[in-house]
Amino acid sequence: RKEVEQDPGPFNVPEGATVAFNCTYSNSASQSFFWYRQDCRKEPKLLMSVYSSGNEDGRFTAQLNRASQYISLLIRDSKLSDSATYLCVYWSGGYQKVTFGTGTKLQVIP
Amino acid sequence: SQTIHQWPATLVQPVGSPLSLECTVEGTSNPNLYWYRQAAGRGLQLLFYSVGIGQISSEVPQNLSASRPQDRQFILSSKKLLLSDSGFYLCAWSVQREAFFGQGTRLTVV
Repeated sequence: RKEVEQDPGPFNVPEGATVAFNCTYSNSASQSFFWYRQDCRKEPKLLMSVYSSGNEDGRFTAQLNRASQYISLLIRDSKLSDSATYLCVYWSGGYQKVTFGTGTKLQVIP
Repeated sequence: SQTIHQWPATLVQPVGSPLSLECTVEGTSNPNLYWYRQAAGRGLQLLFYSVGIGQISSEVPQNLSASRPQDRQFILSSKKLLLSDSGFYLCAWSVQREAFFGQGTRLTVV
């Protein structure tokens, strides 16, 4: 089983729609979780951390389900500028590496 | 504040030529360092990561090697490039939790 699994998409959604991505991870010792955003031909950048209780940042909501070992990202009222690849990331603590998923591509359509 | 420098931004190299990509980090000590490759339209593939000077972990067998001669310097090398080495190469660092990326090197092997 891969360390991190994401549906590669693409998810094609109209402007204003709500879209959700899930990501499953295999390492139950994972401590910290993040969502990154990667624009075309650019480096990935941190979008938001994911906290156990769930957290919001404007139109974005991230949730963690440790029992089922997945995290999710919900985007409400999608904008054209949300078009990007969204990468699921976790860190297992100490000197362990940060592990990236391969990303889910989102295309918001006018 | 921490910064990461990666160069060059673009590179065109003939098949069989050597490669050296350099990455340096400022403003932090003893970071984890990573080299990723992203083929066109594909996800991030972790090539190497390092938890300290001279300590390199290779994630996939390949035509490339990495070295960490100093705490904040990470070098990706090849003795003879293959066509399949073309891609977007990203260096990243982390000190626990999140990882931060350089702006990447777009390598085209011709």
